Amino acid sequence: DIQMTQSPSSLSASVGDRVTITCQASQDINNYLNWYQQKPGKAPKLLIYDASNLETGVPSRFSGSGSGTDFTFTINSLQPEDIATYYCQQRITFGQGTRLEIK
Amino acid sequence: EVQLVESGGGLVQPGGSLRLSCAASGFTFRNYWMNWVRQAPGKGLEWVANIKQDGSDKYYVDSVKGRFTISRDNAKNSLYLQMNSLRVEDTAVYYCARSVVVTVTRYFQHWGQGTLVTVSS
Repeated sequence: DIQMTQSPSSLSASVGDRVTITCQASQDINNYLNWYQQKPGKAPKLLIYDASNLETGVPSRFSGSGSGTDFTFTINSLQPEDIATYYCQQRITFGQGTRLEIK
Repeated sequence: EVQLVESGGGLVQPGGSLRLSCAASGFTFRNYWMNWVRQAPGKGLEWVANIKQDGSDKYYVDSVKGRFTISRDNAKNSLYLQMNSLRVEDTAVYYCARSVVVTVTRYFQHWGQGTLVTVSS
């Protein structure tokens, strides 16, 4: 089974900051890596699919990059409403999650 | 608009059974793989099971094999999860999710709001 290692597990940043989360696969997964946002008490929401494609309706400050084993999720200019836990996912495996807080 | 609405959660004793349902609308249900994904309190996401469009293929995470059964009724646009021999560690919010599958599961594009299952004596 392919293992996904997501880091950091938690992150504190200020409004307007650029935030980066990484996800590493234990073997080459091409570009089959996706990112989700989950706000407290809510269902996960797909933000980025196939490493770098923005899901319809998702603000352009969210972006993703990478291929092979190393992937990056970025929020440019953090907004208060971005406070959430973010997960990477490959096939049926999810990363451990990154809890993002406002400093 | 795609809508997935779960129901059937509740409190059950260890060893008991529960049947979850997911009512789908806003898309052609019979054309999509469907999934159950769960989240234990304060924990991350765990895929539980999925089922092919016509119900001919079903897959499960190892921890629920032999205890849970996923099924669907395309005439009723509904997905189900029959959960037997429930354990304390099955306590979680269970989400119904529609996935994009190209040979393998690619991503989960739509999610329901979830239903809470609590297994406790």
